[in-house]
Amino acid sequence: KNQVEQSPQSLIILEGKNCTLQCNYTVSPFSNLRWYKQDTGRGPVSLTIMTFSENTKSNGRYTATLDADTKQSSLHITASQLSDSASYICVVSSQAGTALIFGKGTTLSVSS
Amino acid sequence: DAGITQSPRHKVTETGTPVTLRCHQTENHRYMYWYRQDPGHGLRLIHYSYGVKDTDKGEVSDGYSVSRSKTEDFLLTLESATSSQTSVYFCAISESTSGFYEQYFGPGTRLTVT
Repeated sequence: KNQVEQSPQSLIILEGKNCTLQCNYTVSPFSNLRWYKQDTGRGPVSLTIMTFSENTKSNGRYTATLDADTKQSSLHITASQLSDSASYICVVSSQAGTALIFGKGTTLSVSS
Repeated sequence: DAGITQSPRHKVTETGTPVTLRCHQTENHRYMYWYRQDPGHGLRLIHYSYGVKDTDKGEVSDGYSVSRSKTEDFLLTLESATSSQTSVYFCAISESTSGFYEQYFGPGTRLTVT
């Protein structure tokens, strides 16, 4: 069964600190992996999309890594800000089509 | 929210009543999707459309129907609402399904069935 598992479920960090969120997947065939940010009461917004051949991709203070051999990805947030408080969702596409498999998300709270 | 609006944004309805949610886009994207988001679950696909009058079922389509009579509008209907359909519903659009297509999400509709 195609699955995307994220850890931790929730995380609290102090403003200015770094953090790393994890994503493990069992999706086949694999097309690409995405990280979305979802603010409370809003729809998800894409942060990065990575293919099989990419192992690192950055978007400002967000850096995603992908290890296609171990089927693991991480999202590293540098110098966190209060506005980073959100749910971060890992999504794997099993084909170039409509089949997106969503993780349950990691809820990040950044406190001052 | 990438030119996507959803209406209503909030709705409370009673069990057994029909409910229609509307998604409207101004991006002229071919593909439109309806998802539901529930605690303890990732987003789950209900139905999607790949063109006017062309729709297909997703993972959790039972109890839902959709229609798309214009490129810009995608309607989701709960024919007889049940408490298990209490959820947040998101519409999404994409230009393509090949290569690195991006899905853009609307702001969501919170539906409560009492």
